[in-house]
Amino acid sequence: GIQVEQSPPDLILQEGANSTLRCNFSDSVNNLQWFHQNPWGQLINLFYIPSGTKQNGRLSATTVATERYSLLYISSSQTTDSGVYFCAGTFMIYNQGGKLIFGQGTELSVKP
Amino acid sequence: SQTIHQWPATLVQPVGSPLSLECTVEGTSNPNLYWYRQAAGRGLQLLFYSVGIGQISSEVPQNLSASRPQDRQFILSSKKLLLSDSGFYLCAWSPGLAKNIQYFGAGTRLSVL
Repeated sequence: GIQVEQSPPDLILQEGANSTLRCNFSDSVNNLQWFHQNPWGQLINLFYIPSGTKQNGRLSATTVATERYSLLYISSSQTTDSGVYFCAGTFMIYNQGGKLIFGQGTELSVKP
Repeated sequence: SQTIHQWPATLVQPVGSPLSLECTVEGTSNPNLYWYRQAAGRGLQLLFYSVGIGQISSEVPQNLSASRPQDRQFILSSKKLLLSDSGFYLCAWSPGLAKNIQYFGAGTRLSVL
């Protein structure tokens, strides 16, 4: 089936700690993306990462497409990192681009 | 650069009233457009997508409808709102290419009372 699964569902960190969020996806989805939903609901694009590793400041992501998983690393977490992190994969629609299939998210709370 | 506008930001409507949420995109042409709903349980559910003017695909049967009267305008409507229509509605666009990188608006928080 078409599945995107995230773990853990919730995570509480002390400021300064590191964390790893995981996303498993089924064969029918590709081209993983990571988003951060801030407390106001805005979905911010973090990474478009079909495969390989990318880094942006304290965040980095790795996707191993052959093994159907992606990881988001947050280092030296800050309170502003709090919110929900979503991964999403594209399910292609022939000749029409694709639609995103979202995981259920990981809710991160960083305590001062 | 491309921007996406969504309004209103919040809306409180009585049960049985009509609904019209609007989303517009600037700085691009012929985008794919999407409407999502996020209920309190956190997951995002795709409601409608459109690959061109007048072309609407519905993902789930429901009390809502969508229209695309212009290339960069996407409207979510209902004739009579239900309590279950409450939620956070997000509009998104993508270039429509294989990459399918989607960019989201700020969302509309709808409360049906």
